[in-house]
Amino acid sequence: DGGITQSPKYLFRKEGQNVTLSCEQNLNHDAMYWYRQDPGQGLRLIYYSQIVNDFQKGDIAEGYSVSREKKESFPLTVTSAQKNPTAFYLCASSIEFDRTNEKLFFGSGTQLSVL
Amino acid sequence: KQEVTQIPAALSVPEGENLVLNCSFTDSAIYNLQWFRQDPGKGLTSLLLIQSSQREQTSGRLNASLDKSSGRSTLYIAASQPGDSATYLCAVKGSSNTGKLIFGQGTTLQVKP
Repeated sequence: DGGITQSPKYLFRKEGQNVTLSCEQNLNHDAMYWYRQDPGQGLRLIYYSQIVNDFQKGDIAEGYSVSREKKESFPLTVTSAQKNPTAFYLCASSIEFDRTNEKLFFGSGTQLSVL
Repeated sequence: KQEVTQIPAALSVPEGENLVLNCSFTDSAIYNLQWFRQDPGKGLTSLLLIQSSQREQTSGRLNASLDKSSGRSTLYIAASQPGDSATYLCAVKGSSNTGKLIFGQGTTLQVKP
């Protein structure tokens, strides 16, 4: 089955710790995205990648880092600089970044909580 | 700056009722508007995408309309079922903000049997 796989489903972070969320897709999509969702709020863009070895900051990139060494993988690291990391994190992909009318495909999400 | 608002935040209806979910946006310069469904603790599933040149899109019991000039979209759900219970989010892709979607905060729908 083609799709986007996020792992783990639940993740706990201790104060001062960096944690990495995994996102893998087998849709052969060029563009990948990370969104953060807080209760009762819409999704906010953290980082996006148009193509391998490229990534750009979104609207709330502070305290996060990413890499895009392979087309199918776009891991997100939540660093200790992110003071309010508790949220639901969603990874998404699309065929191309700036294609006018295409849909986003989402993974099932990772819930990150602080111990 | 584009802002997307969805009202109401929550809605509860009896099974079988027809209902309308609302989405408004502040900047009419958009490429498209999408409606998504999100089940609790899950990712988003795209339901309908309306291009800026279109007025509406239909899929089964769902119909989405777009009025760019007034900055509004509606999602009409006919003959609602308990399985329709979920959070529905709309998102716009702005022509001045290439590649990025701006999301509303969602409407949580409960359909009671």
